[in-house]
Amino acid sequence: GAVVSQHPSRVICKSGTSVKIECRSLDFQATTMFWYRQFPKQSLMLMATSNEGSKATYEQGVEKDKFLINHASLTLSTLTVTSAHPEDSSFYICSARDQSGRYGYTFGSGTRLTVV
Amino acid sequence: EDQVTQSPEALRLQEGESSSLNCSYTVSGLRGLFWYRQDPGKGPEFLFTLYSAGEEKEKERLKATLTKKESFLHITAPKPEDSATYLCAVQAYDYKLSFGAGTTVTVRA
Repeated sequence: GAVVSQHPSRVICKSGTSVKIECRSLDFQATTMFWYRQFPKQSLMLMATSNEGSKATYEQGVEKDKFLINHASLTLSTLTVTSAHPEDSSFYICSARDQSGRYGYTFGSGTRLTVV
Repeated sequence: EDQVTQSPEALRLQEGESSSLNCSYTVSGLRGLFWYRQDPGKGPEFLFTLYSAGEEKEKERLKATLTKKESFLHITAPKPEDSATYLCAVQAYDYKLSFGAGTTVTVRA
C-alpha cells in the first residue's frame, strides 16, 4: 500500500528558531500534498495545499511567511515553521495524493512540535 | 462551506458491545466520504472511502454505510484494540478534505 514518511516525529526548539518538517511519499508520486495542524482533542485543520512545482495555496488565516511550504519533487514536501513561538506548538500532519487518486489520501505519522 | 459533524464525541463500550458512530455532512458536490482511525500521537490510518448513497464497505469488525446526508460506522463485537479516535472526512470538487471532530471510542475488556 501507499506509504508516506514524515520526519521528525518529535522536535523541541527554542523560541525564535526555525524548524523543518519533511514528508516523503515512498512508493507513489505525490502530485498534491496537504499540510494539517491538529490541536489536542480537536480535528485536523488544513493549513495549505501544494502541487509539485507550484506555490502552495494557504487556507484563510494561515500565515504563509511563517509556514513555508516547498514541494519541489513528486516525492518530497517540506514545511518550515519560521521564527517559531510557543503558540506554534502543535501536531503537524502531512497527507499526499497522486494525480489519479488511486491511493486516496495517505497520511504521515505526524510531527509533535514543542516551542520553548 | 463544507461541514462535517460527528457524534457522539466519545463512546465507551464493553468488549463485545456493538455500536454505531454517526457522521453528518453538508457539501457541494460530494466526491467521496472517508473514514480514518487515529491512535494517540499518530497520523490518521485509512479505513474506507464511500462514493454514493447506498454504498457499504466492511473490514473485519467495521462496516461503513452512506446516505445522502450522513454516514455510519458500525463496530460489531468490538475488542480493546478497536479503541481509537475515528475521523470522518468529506472530499468536494477541489480535492480538499474537510474533517469532523472525531469520535473517541474506548473499549473495555
